[in-house]
Order: sequence, then C-alpha cells, then structure tokens
Amino acid sequence: EAGVAQSPRYKIIEKRQSVAFWCNPISGHATLYWYQQILGQGPKLLIQFQNNGVVDDSQLPKDRFSAERLKGVDSTLKIQPAKLEDSAVYLCASTLGINEQFFGPGTRLTVL
Amino acid sequence: ELKVEQNPLFLSMQEGKNYTIYCNYSTTSDRLYWYRQDPGKSLESLFVLLSNGAVKQEGRLMASLDTKARLSTLHITAAVHDLSATYFCAANNAGNNRKLIWGLGTSLAVNP
Repeated sequence: EAGVAQSPRYKIIEKRQSVAFWCNPISGHATLYWYQQILGQGPKLLIQFQNNGVVDDSQLPKDRFSAERLKGVDSTLKIQPAKLEDSAVYLCASTLGINEQFFGPGTRLTVL
Repeated sequence: ELKVEQNPLFLSMQEGKNYTIYCNYSTTSDRLYWYRQDPGKSLESLFVLLSNGAVKQEGRLMASLDTKARLSTLHITAAVHDLSATYFCAANNAGNNRKLIWGLGTSLAVNP
C-alpha cells in the first residue's frame, strides 16, 4: 500500500513570495491533515479535512494560508505572502476513521 | 482543554541501559499514540493504546496506558544506538473533532 505522498520535498523562497505544497493521502483515507512543525517542536495542526469539507482550521493563519481538498482526495496548502517565521516542515497526514495518522515525508520550507 | 506533557524533553543514555519516558495528559482521552521521528524525517507510528491497562511491545520498546492516572509510559529496554530519535506522544481529544494534542517530544540520544 502506497503511503502519503508530498511534494516538493524542499523549497526555498524569499519573504513575501508565495508557495504551494501538494499532498496525496493513502487511498481510501477520508481524513486529511496539514501540520506545521517548527524545528525542535511538535506538530501543530493547521487544518483538518473530512473528505472535501473543513473540520478544523482554527489554527490556520487565514490572512496568508489557504488550503483546499478537491474531490476529497489530493490537497494543496498555499502560503501567500510568506514570512520568515513560516520556515518549518509542513507535514500532511491521513487516517481512516479514528485510527492512527499516517504521515508523509514532509516539505521543508525555508523563507529567506 | 486537553494538554499533553512529556518528560524528560532530552535524554542521553548509554547503550544497554533501561529508561522510561513519561506522557501525562490533563483531561479524558480515549486514545494515546506514540510516534518516532528521526532527524530530518517524518513521523512514524509506534503504538496506539486504547484502554486502561493496555500494554504493547515492539522490540526494545514497550508502551503502557493508565487512564485513571492519565499517564502513558514508553519504556526502553537495553537501549541501542538505533533507538536514537525524538519520541512524541499524542492524545486524542475526544470532544473536539478527535484532534490529536501533541507533547513536545523527547529527544533521545543513545551513546556507545
């Protein structure tokens, strides 16, 4: 069974530029999560989707971050414009029901 | 509000020694997860603990759950260098979209 796929793996941009990340969850997993992990910290949930509906986006900085999950499968997370403090690893995870979350390899973003 | 605390946050131990990582959570949770993260890598699910008294073992790692004390432990037996990683516990917030609340992680270094 293929795991959670993410791209790109690494991205370097300058502040005020925009960036987009892509995630393809495990087939059949209805729930998809985007996390931000700053170096030395635990994951912070940005947004949770159930199929293509948003369940929780309470910690998503909506003035600059947006996410969508079209057709309840793939998802994209966008940052526009990026700030220095957005430098982090962005992790996508998916789950079937209420079981453990399976994580993708992450996208390491550096904002200069 | 559910909060999760891990201790210690940093642990340096010698090969062959035993040690325990503790994970306390503040309110009722119906699931407790342990994850491993290697440097620069994503999160790997280790254990899911569902009920009071649950104990799971995989190799040199054993996890247990005491729901009355709101405590989970991850015990390391006869540590080897390959166990060096960061270990996270996360508790399921049963009342809030089942969001996972994460501890800060325990950075484990096993030295020869």
